[in-house]
Amino acid sequence: GAGVSQSPSNKVTEKGKDVELRCDPISGHTALYWYRQSLGQGLEFLIYFQGNSAPDKSGLPSDRFSAERTGGSVSTLTIQRTQQEDSAVYLCASSSRQGSGYGYTFGSGTRLTVV
Amino acid sequence: RKEVEQDPGPFNVPEGATVAFNCTYSNSASQSFFWYRQDCRKEPKLLMSVYSSGNEDGRFTAQLNRASQYISLLIRDSKLSDSATYLCVVLISSGSARQLTFGSGTQLTVLP
Repeated sequence: GAGVSQSPSNKVTEKGKDVELRCDPISGHTALYWYRQSLGQGLEFLIYFQGNSAPDKSGLPSDRFSAERTGGSVSTLTIQRTQQEDSAVYLCASSSRQGSGYGYTFGSGTRLTVV
Repeated sequence: RKEVEQDPGPFNVPEGATVAFNCTYSNSASQSFFWYRQDCRKEPKLLMSVYSSGNEDGRFTAQLNRASQYISLLIRDSKLSDSATYLCVVLISSGSARQLTFGSGTQLTVLP
């Protein structure tokens, strides 16, 4: 597609439920990143995929968070047993050059609210 | 200490004013530097890269001082449409991984 597509755009879930957030990167972009942004805060790095390499999971805040990227394209971020502190905007970005900062295109995000 | 620190503001300036934002980073191995802009409830978008020699794009000038680990953004003749949050961003390498690390942002409001 023309841009990075994320779905759903908004998600309200009950505490303790699992959620899946989807990111469809720009076609041909080999690098894909997940960040989250809490209200009034900067972006917090979560996980990074580059081609077929093992993902960099160093930013995942707990083992309730996991992500996969199938076929080098679409990525799914899963949060199990959601907690209220998980409420944030989850942003996905893709890039055509490995982590260069150039061509980092963000999706419009998924606003997650845990009630 | 945060890896990338910015003055959160807010900066409220009149149209036509010149405003400067500063940013410091802690990791001396940082490779590349950027300013991103984020409008309210929108995703961040790349504004400009920052080079050691300094670079200019219209009304925007970015500077990098590697020795002081300091980055700046200067906006001249500010417009209402410049109102946004400006994010200082640093590319940091860790092993084979590279990731952008974002500051918390500086909020700018340009007033009529």
